[in-house]
Amino acid sequence: DAGVTQSPTHLIKTRGQQVTLRCSPKSGHDTVSWYQQALGQGPQFIFQYYEEEERQRGNFPDRFSGHQFPNYSSELNVNALLLGDSALYLCASSWSGGYTFGSGTRLTVV
Amino acid sequence: AQKITQTQPGMFVQEKEAVTLDCTYDTSDPSYGLFWYKQPSSGEMIFLIYQGSYDQQNATEGRYSLNFQKARKSANLVISASQLGDSAMYFCAMRGGDMIYNQGGKLIFGQGTELSVKP
Repeated sequence: DAGVTQSPTHLIKTRGQQVTLRCSPKSGHDTVSWYQQALGQGPQFIFQYYEEEERQRGNFPDRFSGHQFPNYSSELNVNALLLGDSALYLCASSWSGGYTFGSGTRLTVV
Repeated sequence: AQKITQTQPGMFVQEKEAVTLDCTYDTSDPSYGLFWYKQPSSGEMIFLIYQGSYDQQNATEGRYSLNFQKARKSANLVISASQLGDSAMYFCAMRGGDMIYNQGGKLIFGQGTELSVKP
């Protein structure tokens, strides 16, 4: 049973560019959440998608947007990248049984 | 507002000994869930143990147990018989709403504790 798959694993972008991160949830999970984890910090909730709609959002600017597809997979888009956006981005899928996290995408903005 | 506090940035433990990682929480929700995750250097968050706010008994999962003291708002993780592979970051997290009734709201994480197991 495949867990949560995230792509790419590593990414380097230039300040001002746009980036798209992808997440395939665990089989049977219909809810996807995204978290940003800066170095040495705990993960911070960005937003959550369920039934292709954003259901909850954390304290992140509108530069952060997302999408969920009919197969429950999800994308995280970040526009106008800042140096401070450098972080590990974690995707978590959930159902009534709890949360499963992927290994994350490590984004470096230079 | 919900908050998780982990006051131990780093901990050392001798192999085969037990260790307790501290976690205190703050919430006004009557129903909530508390989680512990392990994060090795690979980055993946690995679920260890869960405690619901209405659970009468402390949760246990193999070598992991959760010392839940509701009145003190603490949910400490106890790892028995530490192994070298236990060396990692450990995060305490909370979600409003008990797992049984809630498909999955946002998780609030603490700052983490880095555990190092010495041979």
